[in-house]
Amino acid sequence: GAVVSQHPSWVICKSGTSVKIECRSLDFQATTMFWYRQFPKQSLMLMATSNEGSKATYEQGVEKDKFLINHASLTLSTLTVTSAHPEDSSFYICSASTLLADGRSSYNEQFFGPGTRLTVL
Amino acid sequence: KNEVEQSPQNLTAQEGEFITINCSYSVGISALHWLQQHPGGGIVSLFMLSSGKKKHGRLIATINIQEKHSSLHITASHPRDSAVYICAVRVRYGGATNKLIFGTGTLLAVQP
Repeated sequence: GAVVSQHPSWVICKSGTSVKIECRSLDFQATTMFWYRQFPKQSLMLMATSNEGSKATYEQGVEKDKFLINHASLTLSTLTVTSAHPEDSSFYICSASTLLADGRSSYNEQFFGPGTRLTVL
Repeated sequence: KNEVEQSPQNLTAQEGEFITINCSYSVGISALHWLQQHPGGGIVSLFMLSSGKKKHGRLIATINIQEKHSSLHITASHPRDSAVYICAVRVRYGGATNKLIFGTGTLLAVQP
């Protein structure tokens, strides 16, 4: 099956530093990658949608200058949290979308990464 | 009101019990996903439905498009089924791109 990896799986950093999180599709090419944030006991919230070679589309309320997304290839997207603060502490999850076919039709399927837990001190 | 509502929010069951988790949505969708999230955080996609019913092992998912409702059933539940189960609907977004809107999840604990 399709595998999506994230690195690192967890990171602790000091306030004011920048943190980069990588999302890779290991055995398929992803047409689109999504970045989500999940606070404790809450559901996933979409932060941005990223297509290879183009600028990411950010959801309302998500600062694009704070959460920099680079989608350099069809298998790699990165999220950089710039000048991180304690309120940025969260669980960040990426997913990668690819086109699948089941014999009758084609459809986009999302495969999720294992997540990255960011703690900002 | 959330666009995707799940019930119950928390569910405790005894091993072997039949479990049902419900999901209702208020938007037009192209598909509905059931996801499983374990305590470590990783998410696994269980089903993607656009109509009818799907079965995989002890898991069954159904969807009624007219009523905008889906159910996830677990037969002969086991402690290893303990996890958060999340309903997510796929909506069209910015042309051809689809995005998922997530429910708040159902925390299931199956006791031995």
